[in-house]
Amino acid sequence: SQQGEEDPQALSIQEGENATMNCSYKTSINNLQWYRQNSGRGLVHLILIRSNEREKHSGRLRVTLDTSKKSSSLLITASRAADTASYFCATDRIIQGAQKLVFGQGTRLTINP
Amino acid sequence: KAGVTQTPRYLIKTRGQQVTLSCSPISGHRSVSWYQQTPGQGLQFLFEYFSETQRNKGNFPGRFSGRQFSNSRSEMNVSTLELGDSALYLCASSWYRGWGKTEAFFGQGTRLTVV
Repeated sequence: SQQGEEDPQALSIQEGENATMNCSYKTSINNLQWYRQNSGRGLVHLILIRSNEREKHSGRLRVTLDTSKKSSSLLITASRAADTASYFCATDRIIQGAQKLVFGQGTRLTINP
Repeated sequence: KAGVTQTPRYLIKTRGQQVTLSCSPISGHRSVSWYQQTPGQGLQFLFEYFSETQRNKGNFPGRFSGRQFSNSRSEMNVSTLELGDSALYLCASSWYRGWGKTEAFFGQGTRLTVV
């Protein structure tokens, strides 16, 4: 079953604008990761945020995590056409060292030039 | 450092046949996980292997199996293929470095089409 749920399912903005995607999950987690997927290709790891962290930055990306609300958001600032892709959050439950990522359905982001 | 390599990239099979997919993880990574991605179900966890042992398994029928070799390379097998098995199969490798620090790195996937 899907743990993470992203919203919106699709987002279309103009180049240069900021894009915000949200993710909610149901159970406790060790950490939460965000991935990008270009059409039909593999996933690219963007950011990992631990359950004891509240905010993390990487270049134009900013991720927040609110464990009390079981939610996370991914902000892409100053968007570019190359940011067009699907974005997934994945919750990471590590049990006795065994990793299992549970993905949401993703947000399809389109950046219009 | 080379990334995760999956072969083949594309595959077309007939219903009832079986298929084997291969995944070579990043050098030094001992954990390999497999995921199935379909438009309807999204990304679903299949199983995870570490040091040749399956440690975690998703909710898939027994037709889906896998194994890992001593060099950490992994194979996934699907027997008696069904049309619904058509999907992008993704392999991820990771190196468990303790609590909260296990980025997974994905290959480009194998696109399986069952006809």
